[in-house]
Amino acid sequence: TQLLEQSPQFLSIQEGENLTVYCNSSSVFSSLQWYRQEPGEGPVLLVTVVTGGEVKKLKRLTFQFGDARKDSSLHITAAQPGDTGLYLCAASSGTYKYIFGTGTRLKVLA
Amino acid sequence: NAGVTQTPKFQVLKTGQSMTLQCAQDMNHEYMSWYRQDPGMGLRLIHYSVGAGITDQGEVPNGYNVSRSTTEDFPLRLLSAAPSQTSVYFCASSPGLAGVSLWSFGPGTRLTVL
Repeated sequence: TQLLEQSPQFLSIQEGENLTVYCNSSSVFSSLQWYRQEPGEGPVLLVTVVTGGEVKKLKRLTFQFGDARKDSSLHITAAQPGDTGLYLCAASSGTYKYIFGTGTRLKVLA
Repeated sequence: NAGVTQTPKFQVLKTGQSMTLQCAQDMNHEYMSWYRQDPGMGLRLIHYSVGAGITDQGEVPNGYNVSRSTTEDFPLRLLSAAPSQTSVYFCASSPGLAGVSLWSFGPGTRLTVL
C-alpha cells in the first residue's frame, strides 16, 4: 500500500513568517500535486510536478519534487492570513489513480 | 460552466438505508473519482472511472457501488449504510491527459449515518 505522510500536521504562525511543509513516501511517483482546501469546500489544485528535482513557483509559494520522486516540499514566503487552510499532497504512479496525504492544517495569524 | 456539482449537500441516514450521492460535471472530462474525507485521514479513493462504461475500485470500495453511463454523471450508491460510512464525500473530474490528471473537486456531501 502506498502511503503519503505529511508533516507537520498542524502549524500556527504569525503573518510575515516563512514556513515549509513536507510530503514523504517510500514509493516512487510519476507525478505529485499540492492542493489547498478551505472549510466546507473541496480541494483546489495548486500545482503539479512530474520531473525529479523540479521546482515550481506560484507567487509566494515554492514547490519542489525530490530528485528520486518520492517526496516533495511546499515553502511559503511571508505568509498571509489568506494562506490559512488545509494543504494536501497527492501522488500517482500512473495517470488517474491518485492517493492523498493526511494534510497539514495551517493557520496564519494577523 | 458549473464545474463539478454534487447533491445533496447534507444527508442523514439510518443504519441499513440505501441512497445515491449524485455527481455531475459539465467540462467533458474523461476521468472521474469519488473520495471520502475523514478527520486525520486525508482523502481516500473509493472508486474511479476513466470513461463512460469503465469503472474500477480504489482504496476503500467496500459498501459502495458506482456506474458511469454518461460522460457527465458518476453517481455513488451506498447499498446498506453503516455508521462507519459517516464522512464527507467528494467527487472530482479531470481531463484525460497523457501522464497526469488535473482534478477539479465538487463542494462535497456531508453524510451522517445514525
